[in-house]
Amino acid sequence: QKEVEQNSGPLSVPEGAIASLNCTYSDRGSQSFFWYRQYSGKSPELIMSIYSNGDKEDGRFTAQLNKASQYVSLLIRDSQPSDSATYLCAVSGQAGTALIFGKGTTLSVSS
Amino acid sequence: GAVVSQHPSWVICKSGTSVKIECRSLDFQATTMFWYRQFPKQSLMLMATSNEGSKATYEQGVEKDKFLINHASLTLSTLTVTSAHPEDSSFYICSASGGASTDTQYFGPGTRLTVL
Repeated sequence: QKEVEQNSGPLSVPEGAIASLNCTYSDRGSQSFFWYRQYSGKSPELIMSIYSNGDKEDGRFTAQLNKASQYVSLLIRDSQPSDSATYLCAVSGQAGTALIFGKGTTLSVSS
Repeated sequence: GAVVSQHPSWVICKSGTSVKIECRSLDFQATTMFWYRQFPKQSLMLMATSNEGSKATYEQGVEKDKFLINHASLTLSTLTVTSAHPEDSSFYICSASGGASTDTQYFGPGTRLTVL
């Protein structure tokens, strides 16, 4: 069974610090990797997608992918209280198929 | 771009009635739409996957006769909860993929259903 594992947290960081969120996946054939943010009572919002090994940066967010280790991470620099949310890692095998979601990591940024 | 809407955003109904939830992709053609359910403080649970013009594929344990899904066009999918009961009260969220990035799913804002 294809699985995506995340530490449920909560991960607590002070404002301005770097938050590091990690995810591992079981299906070595996975091709697409996503990070979503979900605020309490809201639906998930896409933050980043990554497809190739290495780093991908978008503003304060950096996604890192290591297919050999089956590992995806999300770094949030200069964390803000507004970043406090649950972060979902999602993995896809091929286009049009359902994403496999992790259970999410709750991030709390204190001011 | 890649905006998905849902209607209604919340609904309260009596036990035994049916409720229809609409999911629309506003600026792209959604070849595939997905329906999820989420209970408080729990993770997303995929209910079904639907492709335009085809019957939906339901996940194990999801009653297809209770949760009717129609994906009649490339921009609209509907979920009908038939004969709703209080245990069906949940947050229902659709997502859509298609357009330029066929593997990326964009989520609608969700519909909160309360069955009395």
